[in-house]
Amino acid sequence: ILNVEQSPQSLHVQEGDSTNFTCSFPSSNFYALHWYRWETAKSPEALFVMTLNGDEKKKGRISATLNTKEGYSYLYIKGSQPEDSATYLCAFRTNFGNEKLTFGTGTRLTIIP
Amino acid sequence: SQTIHQWPATLVQPVGSPLSLECTVEGTSNPNLYWYRQAAGRGLQLLFYSVGIGQISSEVPQNLSASRPQDRQFILSSKKLLLSDSGFYLCAWSPGLYYEQYFGPGTRLTVT
Repeated sequence: ILNVEQSPQSLHVQEGDSTNFTCSFPSSNFYALHWYRWETAKSPEALFVMTLNGDEKKKGRISATLNTKEGYSYLYIKGSQPEDSATYLCAFRTNFGNEKLTFGTGTRLTIIP
Repeated sequence: SQTIHQWPATLVQPVGSPLSLECTVEGTSNPNLYWYRQAAGRGLQLLFYSVGIGQISSEVPQNLSASRPQDRQFILSSKKLLLSDSGFYLCAWSPGLYYEQYFGPGTRLTVT
């Protein structure tokens, strides 16, 4: 059983502040790490797919880094806005050649206006 | 552009009743299709995936089943629901192995 952990479980951040949270995953048999944003009453939306150790991806104020050797990824949000309130999910894919994404339980982010 | 539909949006069913949830994808052909469930306080769990018509892989043994009668249609079923089947069910599609997955709006199932 693959263990994908996200921390913290929930986070309250003042509007305008920057924040980050962590996804930990097995460091062996790595193929890809996915980040999704899941807003209330909407579908999970893909943010990033990261495959190479040292990868950094950026989309607007959101960026992510990847360390496959130690098995973690950080998601950063710069200058938080109310629309950033959502649950952020990471999902780990192995190089076993199957379809399975193993999801973490998510970090629930609330931006305080 | 591609669109994924799920229905119903919410469902309340008694224990022991049957279940049928439907998912369809528009705007693409031969997608990989997935059923996920999120139970209370838990992460998204892959239940089934399909790489083609009639091809179903099950990830978790349970009283649920899945079928893919057409290229862009994926159905989740149960003959007799259990209380533990309550949760949020999401259908997803991807263009192929190792691609991003795109999720539908979900079905909230409450088994009473």
